[in-house]
Amino acid sequence: QSALTQPPSASGSPGQSITISCTGTSSDVGGYNFVSWYQQHPNKAPKLIIFEVNLRPSGVPHRFSGSKSGNTASLTVSGLQADDEATYYCSSYAGSNNPFVFGTGTKVTVL
Amino acid sequence: QVQLQESGPGLVKPSGTLSLTCTVSGGSMRSYYWSWIRQPPGKELEWIAYVYNSGSTNHNPSLKSRVTISEDMSKSHFSLKLTSVTAADTAIYYCARSTVATITAFDIWGQGTMVTVSS
Repeated sequence: QSALTQPPSASGSPGQSITISCTGTSSDVGGYNFVSWYQQHPNKAPKLIIFEVNLRPSGVPHRFSGSKSGNTASLTVSGLQADDEATYYCSSYAGSNNPFVFGTGTKVTVL
Repeated sequence: QVQLQESGPGLVKPSGTLSLTCTVSGGSMRSYYWSWIRQPPGKELEWIAYVYNSGSTNHNPSLKSRVTISEDMSKSHFSLKLTSVTAADTAIYYCARSTVATITAFDIWGQGTMVTVSS
């Protein structure tokens, strides 16, 4: 099972919005509404920010939103803040044989 | 609140066995999925295996038969064994939790432990 494809980097100025894509196949992203997104600051563990495509865990700001179309999922971060500078990983369910596949990661820079 | 803490050797010799334990504090282990996930330096995350209620397990087929995951609820921990390790197994190893309702969402993570495979 190959990793999901994400752009290596994205950037924006404070207050702007950015969108990160996560492209898979019909066997993972396109086949299930089980896409999650994680935020990872340097030398820290990942933090869940979106699950089941567009749901936010308690405590995650509304500035983070998710969506999906076909085999591509997207994470939008609105009103960029300095603390949003991190690497973001998507993840999708990919069937019972290998349930969890992660994306290649996108490093977000706040200019 | 629930916290996870990984422990185990930071250095393993090639062809040896990597053994890690994740201690769960602040809550019950029952009815949750407990996973191991790793991240080679500078690379993406890779799910390794999960255990559920001690009896149900699943693992990444790319690791074939090298992986064993087990759970001891009485001791509030679960463990990973990875045999025949090579340099490619060098990574930060995380333990993580997901719920029955949202199995695909890892909502709690340990801080991670770096394991280096080297002679």
